[in-house]
Amino acid sequence: QKEVEQNSGPLSVPEGAIASLNCTYSDRGSQSFFWYRQYSGKSPELIMSIYSNGDKEDGRFTAQLNKASQYVSLLIRDSQPSDSATYLCAVNLPGGYQKVTFGIGRKLQVIP
Amino acid sequence: DGGITQSPKYLFRKEGQNVTLSCEQNLNHDAMYWYRQDPGQGLRLIYYSQIVNDFQKGDIAEGYSVSREKKESFPLTVTSAQKNPTAFYLCASSSPGQGNQPQHFGDGTRLSIL
Repeated sequence: QKEVEQNSGPLSVPEGAIASLNCTYSDRGSQSFFWYRQYSGKSPELIMSIYSNGDKEDGRFTAQLNKASQYVSLLIRDSQPSDSATYLCAVNLPGGYQKVTFGIGRKLQVIP
Repeated sequence: DGGITQSPKYLFRKEGQNVTLSCEQNLNHDAMYWYRQDPGQGLRLIYYSQIVNDFQKGDIAEGYSVSREKKESFPLTVTSAQKNPTAFYLCASSSPGQGNQPQHFGDGTRLSIL
């Protein structure tokens, strides 16, 4: 089982819709969870961090964490064409240093 | 402005040649990382360093070497032993002293074989 898993198939949503991206992780001791956005040809950019169970909202973005079920999700409300990018889930695994494992990423396309 | 600077943006390597990718940060971060990104494979950790003069191998260190002589700098050398070096290389840094701080990335270096 991979440490961090994301659905790898592309996701297409119409403009104005809610885009939902999900991620599961294998280590119950994981403590920190991050979502990065990566535009084509560019480096990953941090968009959300979440550390405790529940929802965390930042503008049109909401991160949701459920440690019991070992999943973290990202909701993008009122999706815009500029949100079209690959979204990477990252999990801070327990250990002697800040080891972060990244999911493979999921490409989101917002259709005007 | 604080940030992570990677250079060059594009790099070409000839057969049998070693090349060095530069990574400099002015965020005062203790930890620095090198990742490789290939299409469809996500980010894979090559090397990381938590403090000056110390670094550890990541998941795919073979064919690579690093040094950490200064807090701000963490150069990566892709040696001739790395037979498939074509990839997007990303340098990141973080403040592990805060426990769970996220990593921040430079703009990356795209390496290709001539």
